[in-house]
This record gives sequence, C-alpha cells and structure tokens, in this order.
Amino acid sequence: DADVTQTPRNRITKTGKRIMLECSQTKGHDRMYWYRQDPGLGLRLIYYSFDVKDINKGEISDGYSVSRQAQAKFSLSLESAIPNQTALYFCATSRPGGSTDTQYFGPGTRLTVL
Amino acid sequence: TQLLEQSPQFLSIQEGENLTVYCNSSSVFSSLQWYRQEPGEGPVLLVTVVTGGEVKKLKRLTFQFGDARKDSSLHITAAQPGDTGLYLCAGVRGSTLGRLYFGRGTQLTVWP
Repeated sequence: DADVTQTPRNRITKTGKRIMLECSQTKGHDRMYWYRQDPGLGLRLIYYSFDVKDINKGEISDGYSVSRQAQAKFSLSLESAIPNQTALYFCATSRPGGSTDTQYFGPGTRLTVL
Repeated sequence: TQLLEQSPQFLSIQEGENLTVYCNSSSVFSSLQWYRQEPGEGPVLLVTVVTGGEVKKLKRLTFQFGDARKDSSLHITAAQPGDTGLYLCAGVRGSTLGRLYFGRGTQLTVWP
C-alpha cells in the first residue's frame, strides 16, 4: 500500500464550486505539505503544517484553505474554484531532519476547473 | 520570483550522450536536493547534498554542490531511455528549515 495517498486522483469541476482534496499518510510523519504544479513552473507551496496545531501559509495560499484533522490527514479546500486553479496538486510528508528533510510525495490529484 | 533557477527547461538527447542540468541561485542554501518525477507520479528524492563542494554519485548520475552553497549541478553519463523524466532541484534555507524551494524543473527525454 502507498504511504501517502490522495483522493480523488482526478476531478473536473465548474467555476464557483467548493472542492476538497484529501491526503492521508501512514508514514507517521508530523509534517505535511500541499503543493501545486503547473507546466514550466515547478512545484509551488500552498500550505504546510508541522504538527496538528500548526498551519502555515506558503507562497500561493490565496484562494485555498486547509484543515489538519489528525497527524495522518491534511485536506486542501478551494472555497470557490476558478479556472486558473486548474493544476496538478501534490501532498507531501516529512519528519524533522534539519537541513536534510526528505519529502515523500503522494501520486497527485489532477484538478480541472471549467 | 523563483529562488532557484534551473536550466535547461527541456533537454532532448540520444541514448549514450552525456548531459548536465544546472540549478542556480543568489541565495545560500543549507542543502540542495534533487528529485525525479515520472508521469502520473509524485517526485522521488534522488540525492541530498549538504556540504559546499560536495560531490555525490549515484550510478551514472553525479551531483555537485557549489562551494558557496548557492548552486548545484546534475550530470548524467551515457544517458539511457530509462532516465527520461522531470528533474527538479529543491533547496532548504537555514531560516526556514522544513520548507523546500523548488526550481522549475528540467524535462529530459532520452531517445533510443
């Protein structure tokens, strides 16, 4: 079984709809992250959480919100989806390791907003 | 503004050729990581370099961290079709441990 799972894997929705992307992990890591990937732009950090009570904005948090329901679960919400939020979304986890943190990524969710 | 500039963005070569991918910044990093991503999957860590001037080898892949810890390179010798993928560099800054700053990636295609 995969250590980091994301649901759904693909989603097509319409402008203005509320969307939730979910991430679960069995690695026992405290740190979880949400990224979006657009062609030619690499990975950009949306939100990150270092433990259940810690939520931090990344570089592109506008239009998104998150919830850390438990150590193993971190969900990303788009309150009112817009077409430029069409992208590939990745969840990742890590454990504290100073400057050598390894991040473990889920398989991604492909979101299309029409 | 991209903290890490990665080049080239695309690379298309024949099997057996050598190639180098560069990752540059004006900022100092505590460490530099290289990830590889295949279609339909998330990035997977290849290597982490921590010390300025450090060189690490992974079979035909050689990774180097610049002396000033502002840049890194990935060199592949005798590329094979199985090397095809998106290569991403990512840096950790001392002031924001736990966060990774990614370059835009290099899409490598190796033709048989």
